[in-house]
Amino acid sequence: DQQVKQNSPSLSVQEGRISILNCDYTNSMFDYFLWYKKYPAEGPTFLISISSIKDKNEDGRFTVFLNKSAKHLSLHIVPSQPGDSAVYFCAASSNSGGSNYKLTFGKGTLLTVNP
Amino acid sequence: EAQVTQNPRYLITVTGKKLTVTCSQNMNHEYMSWYRQDPGLGLRQIYYSMNVEVTDKGDVPEGYKVSRKEKRNFPLILESPSPNQTSLYFCASSAGLGFTLHFGNGTRLTVT
Repeated sequence: DQQVKQNSPSLSVQEGRISILNCDYTNSMFDYFLWYKKYPAEGPTFLISISSIKDKNEDGRFTVFLNKSAKHLSLHIVPSQPGDSAVYFCAASSNSGGSNYKLTFGKGTLLTVNP
Repeated sequence: EAQVTQNPRYLITVTGKKLTVTCSQNMNHEYMSWYRQDPGLGLRQIYYSMNVEVTDKGDVPEGYKVSRKEKRNFPLILESPSPNQTSLYFCASSAGLGFTLHFGNGTRLTVT
């Protein structure tokens, strides 16, 4: 049972345009959501997060939107740059997970930004 | 530099030959965890540790062991590796709930 879903395996956009990566979740206990970025031969690196008490969080070119009623979040990158080309993982966690600060990850979306 | 260090980066071994993947962090984090990444499956948690001498199973613990004798180290042990454990493994650490999970650069394991 996949609790975090990224239904688009890949996305291609032109440099300077907006990239929108989507993520859906099924577990209503999730209350903290994160996006990680992964380059080849490197580990995932934290990009941006949002708590369930908010519906938007912005950090420079990156904005994450959360729609709790739809159990949906999205990552917007504006403007997209070739260096943004990477695999993006959506992840979620729950305070009710007790002592396990486990992140449940989606399968990832490969973003390619074309010059 | 704050980091999580895994060794080796690449490992090819044969079925049944015990191996250990080391993980060390220099951020004084209490929480450490191991994940595996497989095509089409994303990252799945294997084991985690809340502190020294405290470990517990994640989602896919079968075939793995861990130990946490020191705060900075969290080795992953495969006592009898099998081909279905061929995967990309990541160690991660965190200061706790609400804090960022920091990942190592990964260990690509092939079991023939």
